[in-house]
Amino acid sequence: GAVVSQHPSRVICKSGTSVKIECRSLDFQATTMFWYRQFPKQSLMLMATSNEGSKATYEQGVEKDKFLINHASLTLSTLTVTSAHPEDSSFYICSASKGVYGYTFGSGTRLTVV
Amino acid sequence: AQSVTQPDIHITVSEGASLELRCNYSYGATPYLFWYVQSPGQGLQLLLKYFSGDTLVQGIKGFEAEFKRSQSSFNLRKPSVHWSDAAEYFCAVGAASNFGNEKLTFGTGTRLTIIP
Repeated sequence: GAVVSQHPSRVICKSGTSVKIECRSLDFQATTMFWYRQFPKQSLMLMATSNEGSKATYEQGVEKDKFLINHASLTLSTLTVTSAHPEDSSFYICSASKGVYGYTFGSGTRLTVV
Repeated sequence: AQSVTQPDIHITVSEGASLELRCNYSYGATPYLFWYVQSPGQGLQLLLKYFSGDTLVQGIKGFEAEFKRSQSSFNLRKPSVHWSDAAEYFCAVGAASNFGNEKLTFGTGTRLTIIP
């Protein structure tokens, strides 16, 4: 079946530094990737949608200069949290899709900014 | 705009008892419907999905869900829960048209606790 690998699973960084999270589709080529943010005991909030080779489409209220998304290939998308602050601490989840084959989610990344 | 409502924030069920988790959706076009399960600190695992056809769909781990268009509902059921079913459950809706290229809209989730 479709597998999506998300790395790292946990990261702790200092305030003001940047963190990169990778999302890879291991056995299929993902035409579209989605990045979600999940606050404790809450649902998933879509941050942005990205298609290979084009700029990501950000949801309203999401700072594109802070959350940089790159989808350079059909199997890899990255989310970089720039100049991270404690309020950016959260659980980030990616999802990859290939048309009618549906959506496959990564296992998530717990970001803690100290 | 589409929306998903999961009325129950938290449900507690005895092991071996039956389970029903409610989901209502609002969508202007033909919806695709999903149920996902999330264990603490983990991503989402697909339990089942409804695209078309038989309105009663079977999923993994003994779960099933019934699509009722007249009630805009897609409730998840299991006849006998196991302690390992304790998790967070999310209902989601997606566009039938352009499927896979557009986002899923998630409900707020239902946390399931299993007691011995």
